[in-house]
Amino acid sequence: GAVVSQHPSWVICKSGTSVKIECRSLDFQATTMFWYRQFPKQSLMLMATSNEGSKATYEQGVEKDKFLINHASLTLSTLTVTSAHPEDSSFYICSAEGTRGSYNEQFFGPGTRLTVL
Amino acid sequence: GENVEQHPSTLSVQEGDSAVIKCTYSDSASNYFPWYKQELGKRPQLIIDIRSNVGEKKDQRIAVTLNKTAKHFSLHITETQPEDSAVYFCAAKYSGANNLFFGTGTRLTIIP
Repeated sequence: GAVVSQHPSWVICKSGTSVKIECRSLDFQATTMFWYRQFPKQSLMLMATSNEGSKATYEQGVEKDKFLINHASLTLSTLTVTSAHPEDSSFYICSAEGTRGSYNEQFFGPGTRLTVL
Repeated sequence: GENVEQHPSTLSVQEGDSAVIKCTYSDSASNYFPWYKQELGKRPQLIIDIRSNVGEKKDQRIAVTLNKTAKHFSLHITETQPEDSAVYFCAAKYSGANNLFFGTGTRLTIIP
């Protein structure tokens, strides 16, 4: 149980185009999902917290108009990188908050590697 | 917000020896401390976690200890094997928040 998928697993796009990444909780409902960005040999940096039915909460320094987040259902959140540039190339990982026993836990997706040419 | 520091950044140990990775946190309200293992290009996998109501937790060759007074927690891997080679991240979460604060990671290499 508690499986999170991401699509696509990798994407290559031209500079200036937009890319949408999907994060799905397959066997549980997630009111809250998180989007992280990870550069090579670095830690996971939280970009934003996505709440179903409401606006996402962005971390300081993350442009909300560039990284559009939509959490339209309890099993799907999407991250759209608008007007992507080479510096946006990174590994994007989502996680969904579910329960394990009586506690909440984050379950991570497999990540999406974005390369902007 | 919470600040999590992790040491060392790289660690090489001989197969069969033990490995210890340490993290400190800043917010005394933090009450949940998971450890993740991440292989190259893969998702972080939860390997063990501890909550602030206990001081130690063990799962086979992996253990985590928590010192709330000193605000640090450690991952211990005994009888290391080549498949333990990966990057390990600690994290902390404080009561009232639902996001994790990650450490900077430790690249562990097990030497056969």
